Amino acid sequence: GQQVMQIPQYQHVQEGEDFTTYCNSSTTLSNIQWYKQRPGGHPVFLIQLVKSGEVKKQKRLTFQFGEAKKNSSLHITATQTTDVGTYFCAGGSGTYKYIFGTGTRLKVLA
Amino acid sequence: DGGITQSPKYLFRKEGQNVTLSCEQNLNHDAMYWYRQDPGQGLRLIYYSQIVNDFQKGDIAEGYSVSREKKESFPLTVTSAQKNPTAFYLCASRRGNEQFFGPGTRLTVL
Repeated sequence: GQQVMQIPQYQHVQEGEDFTTYCNSSTTLSNIQWYKQRPGGHPVFLIQLVKSGEVKKQKRLTFQFGEAKKNSSLHITATQTTDVGTYFCAGGSGTYKYIFGTGTRLKVLA
Repeated sequence: DGGITQSPKYLFRKEGQNVTLSCEQNLNHDAMYWYRQDPGQGLRLIYYSQIVNDFQKGDIAEGYSVSREKKESFPLTVTSAQKNPTAFYLCASRRGNEQFFGPGTRLTVL
């Protein structure tokens, strides 16, 4: 069945350093979403990418969707302590059923 | 004040007992989802419903059952047939492609 893998599983960075998490699907996706889950909280929607090669920015966050629509990345520039949490990608196949990645847990050291 | 509510936040049950987790939304969303999250893992889809009186199995439906008699409510029953029920359960509703998650119920089976 369809699988969505994310790397790395964990990342510790010093405050101010950059951070990137990568998402890879075993099949071509119709869209990809990114969510953030704070410790002890629930996932919160960040963004959706639909087009091949699409790049979107939200302040310090940059999201990319690969040309083949099988991979995606989230890059955070100059991390802050408020960025702490687990970042999930979720691949959509056009049926409103989403396959979530395994998540990348980010810790930011002040 | 619109949103998704899940109750209770923590739930303890003895092995062999069925238990029903509540999920209510007043966002007027047609689609609702149930996910299971285990430590260090992503979200896995249990059941989803696109509309009242209709629902489909997700990737890990065995040992679970749902009903969708009202638009606002999508309760999940964890039956004794579920081999490893201890987990964090998240309910979500969807508007467009964005999923809105409830606060979750942490179920512990003793």
